[in-house]
Amino acid sequence: SQKIEQNSEALNIQEGKTATLTCNYTNYSPAYLQWYRQDPGRGPVFLLLIRENEKEKRKERLKVTFDTTLKQSLFHITASQPADSATYLCALLFSGGYNKLIFGAGTRLAVHP
Amino acid sequence: ETGVTQSPTHLIKTRGQQVTLRCSSQSGHNTVSWYQQALGQGPQFIFQYYREEENGRGNFPPRFSGLQFPNYSSELNVNALELDDSALYLCASSPLGGAYEQYFGPGTRLTVT
Repeated sequence: SQKIEQNSEALNIQEGKTATLTCNYTNYSPAYLQWYRQDPGRGPVFLLLIRENEKEKRKERLKVTFDTTLKQSLFHITASQPADSATYLCALLFSGGYNKLIFGAGTRLAVHP
Repeated sequence: ETGVTQSPTHLIKTRGQQVTLRCSSQSGHNTVSWYQQALGQGPQFIFQYYREEENGRGNFPPRFSGLQFPNYSSELNVNALELDDSALYLCASSPLGGAYEQYFGPGTRLTVT
């Protein structure tokens, strides 16, 4: 069956450390993978998109890797801050037709001062 | 630039009733997607509208229907409400054919009693 798995348990880290979140998927072949941030009671906010032929993408303190052989993406936040505390969602996107996103359940990140 | 807006913010309905949720897309975006997000889960794709026509649909029954208007705003209608329809309903807009990230509204929290 098709699945997208993210760490279901909350990730607690100290301010200044690097947070690493994992997204694994099975029986999908996405053309793109996206990461979104969601705060309680709010809609998701787009962070980064990485294509299937890209290994790594960076934006400021954020870094995403995409391994289509392992069917895994890693999302890193360096020099984390309490303001980074939120739920982070990975989403798969398939080429052709229409832009249907398939989301994982998300991982809650808590950055402690 | 105005972002995606949704109305109402919260709604309480009784089982068996009908509900209409509204969405105004971001300026310049001609594609609108609707998602349902249950508590603790990632958003699930309901359907997408492009040029006033349904352009793709997820695994939702026909009692979930929608419309898109010439100004690209959209409505989600749900008939014969069930208790399991209680969720956050998210609208997302995107410029089809260009970037693939989606811009989400704040959502409408629907409670069915």
